[in-house]
Amino acid sequence: EAAVTQSPRNKVAVTGGKVTLSCNQTNNHNNMYWYRQDTGHGLRLIHYSYGAGSTEKGDIPDGYKASRPSQENFSLILELATPSQTSVYFCASGNSAETLYFGSGTRLTVL
Amino acid sequence: DAKTTQPDSMESTEGETVHLPCSHATISGNEYIYWYRQVPLQGPEYVTHGLQQNTTNSMAFLAIASDRKSSTLILPHVSLRDAAVYHCILANQGGSAKLIFGEGTKLTVSS
Repeated sequence: EAAVTQSPRNKVAVTGGKVTLSCNQTNNHNNMYWYRQDTGHGLRLIHYSYGAGSTEKGDIPDGYKASRPSQENFSLILELATPSQTSVYFCASGNSAETLYFGSGTRLTVL
Repeated sequence: DAKTTQPDSMESTEGETVHLPCSHATISGNEYIYWYRQVPLQGPEYVTHGLQQNTTNSMAFLAIASDRKSSTLILPHVSLRDAAVYHCILANQGGSAKLIFGEGTKLTVSS
């Protein structure tokens, strides 16, 4: 069964601190995605990747970096976290729109 | 990608058949209609998709208007487990899974 695992499930960070959200998939998918979800908005795409070593900007990349060191792992990095980045973050893997699998999300609070 | 319009919310009772509408008046010829659903505290989950013909699977029936400007996701005999936010999304099949999520329709199911 397709699996996408995110860690941590919950994170509290301070303003100006560095935060790294991790995502691991065992689906052997080339493509991976990072979304954020806020009340009043649908999921919004932050960064995505077509394979190891590749990262691409999504619709709202400002304030975020991404890293894809391997097929299985895709990280989202907040170098200088701000309260506006408080949100729920979802990672997904999938090679097509009908094979997109999401993790259970990371709830990030920036104080 | 073309935009979709869905009602913010719908209510139902266990055992009923629910019809979730989606309008996509500017859909292009190569765009498929995808439906995902999201239960609280989880990432979205694929439900079904179609291009022009109605489709059915174990989760739902997708009815697509002949002009493709609207579609309806039909959930037979809903249970409490079907309570979720249902997203109607347009995308190219097999292409990039960079899906654009709106706010979807929140389906409430009462016993």
